[in-house]
Amino acid sequence: AQKVTQAQTEISVVEKEDVTLDCVYETRDTTYYLFWYKQPPSGELVFLIRRNSFDEQNEISGRYSWNFQKSTSSFNFTITASQVVDSAVYFCALIGNAGNMLTFGGGTRLMVKP
Amino acid sequence: KAGVTQTPRYLIKTRGQQVTLSCSPISGHRSVSWYQQTPGQGLQFLFEYFSETQRNKGNFPGRFSGRQFSNSRSEMNVSTLELGDSALYLCASSLERSGANVLTFGAGSRLTVL
Repeated sequence: AQKVTQAQTEISVVEKEDVTLDCVYETRDTTYYLFWYKQPPSGELVFLIRRNSFDEQNEISGRYSWNFQKSTSSFNFTITASQVVDSAVYFCALIGNAGNMLTFGGGTRLMVKP
Repeated sequence: KAGVTQTPRYLIKTRGQQVTLSCSPISGHRSVSWYQQTPGQGLQFLFEYFSETQRNKGNFPGRFSGRQFSNSRSEMNVSTLELGDSALYLCASSLERSGANVLTFGAGSRLTVL
């Protein structure tokens, strides 16, 4: 069975602070994909990034960066210089070998205060 | 390019009724999957369809069913509604059945059961 854990249920920061959202996963599949999605109040899940299990290279996209470490089964997400518009619920998720079946973590609600 | 379209966006039903939700995937996408989101259980996988065939099913009772048409549009049905079925139902589409393809989500159908 697969499992994704986001230990932080809620984080509150002040604008311009850096914030890291933690994600730990469990899977027995050798090939798998990890995702981060953002869910604003409107409800739609917005894709942010995908990583496959063979690519441990960290990635930076503007103010967003991701740190994938297979040794610790973690895929953490950092927002640099947070903005109010970053306020949302962020989900980490995993797909293994069984087709398009995403296993989601419980989500982290990020509140960025002005 | 149009995104994933879900209808209706909001609906209210009473216990014992049934409901049908519709999902139109992105043009060219052949895989459609459904997820239920509740405050208590989070995001849970319902089922996945590809080429009009159900490929995976989550741990939900038989009251939850779905189908996919030849144009890849999908519907899900919930019969004999219970209060606990109140949730946001999200549909996602992708080109193929692999995590190498990003799942794009619709805005969801918010069901309230009274």
